[in-house]
Amino acid sequence: DADVTQTPRNRITKTGKRIMLECSQTKGHDRMYWYRQDPGLGLRLIYYSFDVKDINKGEISDGYSVSRQAQAKFSLSLESAIPNQTALYFCATSETSGRSFSYNEQFFGPGTRLTVL
Amino acid sequence: SQQGEEDPQALSIQEGENATMNCSYKTSINNLQWYRQNSGRGLVHLILIRSNEREKHSGRLRVTLDTSKKSSSLLITASRAADTASYFCATSGNMLTFGGGTRLMVKP
Repeated sequence: DADVTQTPRNRITKTGKRIMLECSQTKGHDRMYWYRQDPGLGLRLIYYSFDVKDINKGEISDGYSVSRQAQAKFSLSLESAIPNQTALYFCATSETSGRSFSYNEQFFGPGTRLTVL
Repeated sequence: SQQGEEDPQALSIQEGENATMNCSYKTSINNLQWYRQNSGRGLVHLILIRSNEREKHSGRLRVTLDTSKKSSSLLITASRAADTASYFCATSGNMLTFGGGTRLMVKP
């Protein structure tokens, strides 16, 4: 079984709809992340969480919100989807580092391909 | 904005040749990581090099880090068709920041 799972794997929706992407992990990691990848580009960080009570904005948080329901679950919501949010979305996890601003190896889910019409 | 920038953006080589990809970054880092992504899939971690290390090996992979030049290179030796993928560097500072990637094609 995969260590980091994402649901749904594909989603097509319309402008203005609310969408939730879910991520679950069995690695026991405290840190979880949501990234967005646009075609031909690298990943950009949307939100990250160092533990259940900690939520931080990343590089491109506008238009997105997150919820850390448990250590193993981190969901990403698009409150009112717009076409330029069409992208591939990845969840990732990592072990806690000894320092806040140092990051260990990240483990990625398979991604959710979201299309907003 | 992306901290790391890979060069070249695309690379095509024959099986058996070596592939070298470079990454430049702008600010100080704790470590630098390289990831691989097969088309449309999640990223897979390849190697992590800390800011006080200069070179690291893992199988056919060799990574160097020059903090004075703020640059790193990933060398894949004796490439195989299965190495075809995109390769990303990621710098660990306030966040883990990914570059735009190098698309590597290894022709059989």
